[in-house]
Parts: sequence; structure tokens; C-alpha cells
Amino acid sequence: AQTVTQSQPEMSVQEAETVTLSCTYDTSESDYYLFWYKQPPSRQMILVIRQEAYKQQNATENRFSVNFQKAAKSFSLKISDSQLGDAAMYFCACIQGAQKLVFGQGTRLTINP
Amino acid sequence: EPEVTQTPSHQVTQMGQEVILRCVPISNHLYFYWYRQILGQKVEFLVSFYNNEISEKSEIFDDQFSVERPDGSNFTLKIRSTKLEDSAMYFCASSELEGNSPLHFGNGTRLTVT
Repeated sequence: AQTVTQSQPEMSVQEAETVTLSCTYDTSESDYYLFWYKQPPSRQMILVIRQEAYKQQNATENRFSVNFQKAAKSFSLKISDSQLGDAAMYFCACIQGAQKLVFGQGTRLTINP
Repeated sequence: EPEVTQTPSHQVTQMGQEVILRCVPISNHLYFYWYRQILGQKVEFLVSFYNNEISEKSEIFDDQFSVERPDGSNFTLKIRSTKLEDSAMYFCASSELEGNSPLHFGNGTRLTVT
């Protein structure tokens, strides 16, 4: 069965600093996709970044980047120059084949001014 | 940018009543989904829908649940006889293609069963 694990229930970072959120996953498939979603207090689910498993190059989106280690089944999210608006729950998710997206437990990120 | 819209934003119902949660997916998307998030817990897959039929469903999606795309634009989730444990945030999502196409989520409907 496909599983996604986020071992950090909470993280905090000083504004303008860099923070890394951890995620590990388990899948038996060779072709799959990984995502990070952000859920602010409004409860909306917002796509932050995605990574195709067949690509070795780490995805980047402005201040957000991932460290994808396929052999270790690790998919961490790095947020650079943290801003107050980055405060949210962050969910790592994995999808394979038909569209059943499996989420991790989430990490609550707090930004300290 | 096109959005997935969900109505209502908050629904309060009594145990045993039927509720219908409504969603309008992004117009050119082909795959539609419902997810659920009980307060303080992770988001859980309920069902996926493609070509006017369910393509996959979780064990949560029992006979009390049904989905429908009645008119080509709306995508609904019906809970036939609500239970207290159905209280959760329900998210609709859609995607353009299978596989690497990301899911776009709506803002969710908070369902409270009393």
C-alpha cells in the first residue's frame, strides 16, 4: 500500500530564514508523482510544487524547492526567505496511476517575525 | 485563473438527514474527486470520477455515499443518512489528465452533523 509520512508535526522558522520540511513515502510503483500542498487557516488546499519521479532534477518554484531522493524515497520541501504568508499546514502527497492522491499527516509551519 | 468552486462553505445538518455537497470543477478538466479531512487529521481520498462513472473509491465511501455529475458542470457528493462521524471538511478537486496532472482543490465545505 502507498503511504506518506511527515515526521514533523510542527516546525517554526524566523522570517527571512530557510526551513526544510521532511517527507518520506513508500510505493511499489516506478512511475509516480509527488506534491506539496499548503493549507492556510482558510482551509483551502493550494498546490505548492510537484515532482515527477522519473525526473532526476529537483523541482523549484521561486522560493520553494524540493530535495527528491528517489532511492531513499524522500521528498523534502525547502522554503527560502520565509515570509509571514508562508505560515500554514503543509501536506506532502503522492499519486500513482489512477488519481488516488495519498497525503501525509501534515506539518504546521509557524513563521516568527 | 480558473478555480474549483464548492457550495455551501458550511453546512449544518442533523444526524440521519441527507446532505448534498456541490462542486463546479474547472471546465476543461476530465477527472473529479472528493476528499475528506476530519478536524486535526490528514486529508483522505473518498472517490474519483471519470467519464461519468466512479473510477476508484476508498473503504470510507460506503453505500451511504454517492456521486453524480447531473448536468455536465456540477459534481455532487450525497450522503444519504449522515452520522456524527461524517463531520469533516469535504474537498472537491479536479484535474485535466491522469498521472502528472496536479489536482486543483476547491475551498471545501465544512459539514457539521449534530
